[in-house]
Amino acid sequence: NAGVMQNPRHLVRRRGQEARLRCSPMKGHSHVYWYRQLPEEGLKFMVYLQKENIIDESGMPKERFSAEFPKEGPSILRIQQVVRGDSAAYFCASSLNRGKQETQYFGPGTRLLVL
Amino acid sequence: AQTVTQSQPEMSVQEAETVTLSCTYDTSESDYYLFWYKQPPSRQMILVIRQEAYKQQNATENRFSVNFQKAAKSFSLKISDSQLGDAAMYFCAYRSASDMRFGAGTRLTVKP
Repeated sequence: NAGVMQNPRHLVRRRGQEARLRCSPMKGHSHVYWYRQLPEEGLKFMVYLQKENIIDESGMPKERFSAEFPKEGPSILRIQQVVRGDSAAYFCASSLNRGKQETQYFGPGTRLLVL
Repeated sequence: AQTVTQSQPEMSVQEAETVTLSCTYDTSESDYYLFWYKQPPSRQMILVIRQEAYKQQNATENRFSVNFQKAAKSFSLKISDSQLGDAAMYFCAYRSASDMRFGAGTRLTVKP
């Protein structure tokens, strides 16, 4: 059973471009979470999705950021018109269930660098 | 909002020795889970150990164990017989039915 997959592992964008980050959850997992990690900081929750639905996006900036988890295919975190402050590691996690007892399994992350 | 505090930005330990990483949290809920994650230089997040708040018995996974003090809202991680491969950032995390929070991390260095 493959773990959580994220691609690309590294992404370089110039200011104003779009960044698309992909996450394939573990097999059988229908809950996906996105986190952002700035250098030397912990993870900050961004958004929680279940198949075709955004459940909680309280940690996501209101502008330029969007996320989806279609019925088929990976979850996508999209950042439009990137700025230098978007440079960070973006981690995706998946879980089998929802709730306090569920364990989230993390992907290797995507390191976004905005020039 | 619940907060998770790791008061030690950096810790170091001699190989084969024991080290304890501290974590405290703030919550008004009685039912929740606590986790320790390890993030090596590869930066992948790896689950180390988890503890259910309703269980009094401290969780143990091989060389890793926790000291869970619910009343004090403390959840420390003890690493016994430290190995070079234990060097990493360690994050404490809190999970309730509606929320998941991470601490800022403790960087552990293991000296040969």
